[in-house]
Amino acid sequence: AQSVAQPEDQVNVAEGNPLTVKCTYSVSGNPYLFWYVQYPNRGLQFLLKYITGDNLVKGSYGFEAEFNKSQTSFHLKKPSALVSDSALYFCAVRDFTDKLIFGTGTRLQVFP
Amino acid sequence: EADIYQTPRYLVIGTGKKITLECSQTMGHDKMYWYQQDPGMELHLIHYSYGVNSTEKGDLSSESTVSRIRTEHFPLTLESARPSHTSQYLCASSSPGGNTIYFGEGSWLTVV
Repeated sequence: AQSVAQPEDQVNVAEGNPLTVKCTYSVSGNPYLFWYVQYPNRGLQFLLKYITGDNLVKGSYGFEAEFNKSQTSFHLKKPSALVSDSALYFCAVRDFTDKLIFGTGTRLQVFP
Repeated sequence: EADIYQTPRYLVIGTGKKITLECSQTMGHDKMYWYQQDPGMELHLIHYSYGVNSTEKGDLSSESTVSRIRTEHFPLTLESARPSHTSQYLCASSSPGGNTIYFGEGSWLTVV
């Protein structure tokens, strides 16, 4: 069965510092991987996806993610965090029936 | 981004009432989904549809029902609401062959 894991419930980072939100996956076949962000009382916003091609994927709001097949990871990164990046981040994998399976979410807190 | 509209955004109702959460998308997407999310928690798929007259139950058992009479419309109904149904309900859609699933802003349901 397809699954993703987000090992950190919360990540704290100072504004201006680089940030990483971790995600590992378990799939059979080629993975379709996604990152979404959720602000308070809002729906999910699509950030970026990996389908095939370059292992470094660039997305919205300056975020990027690195696909690592040998480590089965798809970590979300940003070179310089902003206070406005504070939100709930979800990693997801799309299964063969076109459904998204989500991780448990990681709360990112960026301190001024 | 897809245009997905959910109404109502917030609803407080009494136990035993019937409610319908509306979801509409204007992009002609064939696949639509309903996810349930407790505040700040992970998302669980409760219903999905691959097109008109197609509905399937998701991974999380739900007492709600859905219908798909028109491509653009995927309403969710609770015949008799209970406090255990208090949650956020997120509607989503994706296009044929599309790799990305887009979400609406969510409907917050509180049953008292």
